[in-house]
Order: sequence, then C-alpha cells, then structure tokens
Amino acid sequence: AQSVTQPDIHITVSEGASLELRCNYSYGATPYLFWYVQSPGQGLQLLLKYFSGDTLVQGIKGFEAEFKRSQSSFNLRKPSVHWSDAAEYFCAVGLYDYKLSFGAGTTVTVRA
Amino acid sequence: ETGVTQSPTHLIKTRGQQVTLRCSSQSGHNTVSWYQQALGQGPQFIFQYYREEENGRGNFPPRFSGLQFPNYSSELNVNALELDDSALYLCASSLVALDSHNEQFFGPGTRLTVL
Repeated sequence: AQSVTQPDIHITVSEGASLELRCNYSYGATPYLFWYVQSPGQGLQLLLKYFSGDTLVQGIKGFEAEFKRSQSSFNLRKPSVHWSDAAEYFCAVGLYDYKLSFGAGTTVTVRA
Repeated sequence: ETGVTQSPTHLIKTRGQQVTLRCSSQSGHNTVSWYQQALGQGPQFIFQYYREEENGRGNFPPRFSGLQFPNYSSELNVNALELDDSALYLCASSLVALDSHNEQFFGPGTRLTVL
C-alpha cells in the first residue's frame, strides 16, 4: 500500500531564510508527486507536481522540489521565505492525478 | 471563470443523522473527487465521479455515497453520522481527457461537526 511521510510536523523559519520540507513515500512504482499548500480557511492550492522528466521541478510562488528515486523523496524548497508563506504544506502521491494519498502535513511558521 | 465552490461552509449535526454536502465544479471540468480531512491530518480520498459514475473509491464505508449531475456538480451524502465523521470535506474538480495530466482544483471545503 502506498504511504506518504512528512517527518516534520512543525517548522519555524525566519523571514528571508531558506526553507526545506521533507517528503518520503512508499509506492510500488514511481507515482505522480505533488506539493499542496493550505492556508487557514482555504482549500488546497497546487504548488508543483512531478510526473516524469527533469527531477527538479519549478512551481509557483518561488517553490521548487527535487525528486530522488533512490531515496523515495520529493523535498520542497524555497530560497527565501516571505511572511505570506506561513501555511500548512502537504505532500501527495498517486498512480494517477486523482485518488491521491496525502501526508499528515507540515505547518510552517514565519517569524519576522 | 468560476472556481470550485462548496456549500454549506459549516454544518453541525448529531450522531445518527444524515448529511448532504454540495460541490460545484470549475467550469469545463468533468470529474469530481471528494476528500475527508480530519483535524491535524492530511486529506483522505473518499471517491471520484466521472460522467456521473463512481470511478474509484478509498477506504470508506458504504454509508458514504455520492452523486454527480449532468452539469458535473456533485453531492456527498453521509448516513448514520458518527463522531469520527467530524472533519473538513474537500471537493476537487478536474478535466479528464486522453493523454493529459490534469490538475485538481480544490474548493474551500465544508466543515462538518458531529455532536
């Protein structure tokens, strides 16, 4: 069965500092991989996705993620965090781009 | 272009009751998926509807059922509500077509509280 692990429940980062959120997955094949962001009272917004090809994926809001097959990881990064990046971030995997399995999420707090 | 909308925003029910949640797909989309997000958890896939038929289901009991209408809007029905059904219910729509990877667009969700 597929599973998604986000090892960090909560991360606090200073504004302007870099951010990295970890995601590890267990799957029978290389799945589709996604990162979503959820702000309070909002639905999920897709930041980026990986299906195949270049393992470094660029997304919206200055985010990028790197797929590493050997480590079954898909970590999300941002070089310089803005206060508006405070939110909850979810990694998700799926055989197709539906029926996604989500991780438990990482809450990001940005301090001034 | 109108995004995915859900109604109601919040709902309070008691154990044993039945509830219907509604979702209007984004314009041009033909597929709707429903997810349950318990507090502090990631969303869990309930089921997907495509062309008014259920097209994939997660690990949820039959008392969770759905409908998709010709205009591609959708309902999620939950019978015999249990306390553990308290959660944020998210609807997501997408356009399914051959050889295309289609992003799901999520609505803001319906917060259901079961007392």
